[in-house]
Amino acid sequence: GAGVSQSPRYKVTKRGQDVALRCDPISGHVSLYWYRQALGQGPEFLTYFNYEAQQDKSGLPNDRFSAERPEGSISTLTIQRTEQRDSAMYRCASRSTALTDTQYFGPGTRLTVL
Amino acid sequence: AQTVTQSQPEMSVQEAETVTLSCTYDTSENNYYLFWYKQPPSRQMILVIRQEAYKQQNATENRFSVNFQKAAKSFSLKISDSQLGDTAMYFCAFMRRTGKLIFGQGTTLQVKP
Repeated sequence: GAGVSQSPRYKVTKRGQDVALRCDPISGHVSLYWYRQALGQGPEFLTYFNYEAQQDKSGLPNDRFSAERPEGSISTLTIQRTEQRDSAMYRCASRSTALTDTQYFGPGTRLTVL
Repeated sequence: AQTVTQSQPEMSVQEAETVTLSCTYDTSENNYYLFWYKQPPSRQMILVIRQEAYKQQNATENRFSVNFQKAAKSFSLKISDSQLGDTAMYFCAFMRRTGKLIFGQGTTLQVKP
């Protein structure tokens, strides 16, 4: 596609429910990153993939968070048993190779946990 | 661990004037990249300018330029001829070769007519 897309753009869920956030990177991009951004703050790294391999998941807050990219393209970030503190903007970014510098960000998914 | 600090939470500038946003970072690495991203009210993340640490020449993109001081670990953004559309939150970011971006806290810039 022309850019990074994310769905849904907005998600409201009740505490305790599971949610799945989808990221569709720019076609052919090797690396895919997930970030979380609280209101008024900078994005914080969660995890990233090169192709289908998860390279670093050190930013995932706890074991309720997981991510996958099974075919090296679309990625899903899953949050189990959501809590109110999980409310944030979740952003995905991709870059063309593991060596280039520029990451292109998607529009984000705004998650609200009631 | 790398850290990025933006010490100016808010700034304002008159339209057509020049403004400089500050950013400092801490790292023990020698090869890395630095970025400024713009986040307008729509909350998109828009790349403004990037700098490769091994390049001594400061990056420039139209009205946007940086003052990169590697020894001082400083990376400020200068916006010339400010326009109303420059109103946004600006984030400084550090990137290692793995691509993991580390962002500062952001500076909210208001351009006044």
